[in-house]
Amino acid sequence: DTAVSQTPKYLVTQMGNDKSIKCEQNLGHDTMYWYKQDSKKFLKIMFSYNNKELIINETVPNRFSPKSPDKAHLNLHINSLELGDSAVYFCASTDRGLETQYFGPGTRLLVL
Amino acid sequence: AQTVTQSQPEMSVQEAETVTLSCTYDTSESNYYLFWYKQPPSRQMILVIRQEAYKQQNATENRFSVNFQKAAKSFSLKISDSQLGDTAMYFCAFMKHGGDYKLSFGAGTTVTVRA
Repeated sequence: DTAVSQTPKYLVTQMGNDKSIKCEQNLGHDTMYWYKQDSKKFLKIMFSYNNKELIINETVPNRFSPKSPDKAHLNLHINSLELGDSAVYFCASTDRGLETQYFGPGTRLLVL
Repeated sequence: AQTVTQSQPEMSVQEAETVTLSCTYDTSESNYYLFWYKQPPSRQMILVIRQEAYKQQNATENRFSVNFQKAAKSFSLKISDSQLGDTAMYFCAFMKHGGDYKLSFGAGTTVTVRA
């Protein structure tokens, strides 16, 4: 059983397109995150949701819009994709009180 | 804001030997958590070990142990009896207690275990 899953694992698309990445966790956690790992492997928080409420929104262009339909899912929609959006996007989840975050397998996005 | 510094971009170690990765951090918080994550070529982020700042005892997980020096704001990871499967990028990460529960990562150290 996969604890935190992401779809798709790979995404190749053209500049200007709109795409979505989905994340689901079956751990019963109440908090979910999106992180971006750039080409130099640096990881940075983008968003966090706790019980479907947005709690972190780090300096991310508003072309990126997270959506949490329920506490087990956190999706990331990206409008008007740019070359600089090429990266690996990781979803993670935790329970407040556990602190340890569990990561999904990552989605490698390549914008051409 | 918290910053996490990993000063060793790459390290190489012979199989069965020991390697130590350094991590320093900057914070004004007194209560926080520190983590080491491993990212093998498969790209999966795997938790290696965690340390609560209020605990003086250093955390240990099998062949992995940390040297946590709170006053020096240092959190090094020791990998003993290195195995080929330990080849990966290792990230040090910080999370403050009771805040927004976000992880702040260092730049990572690539560890290569040689046969």
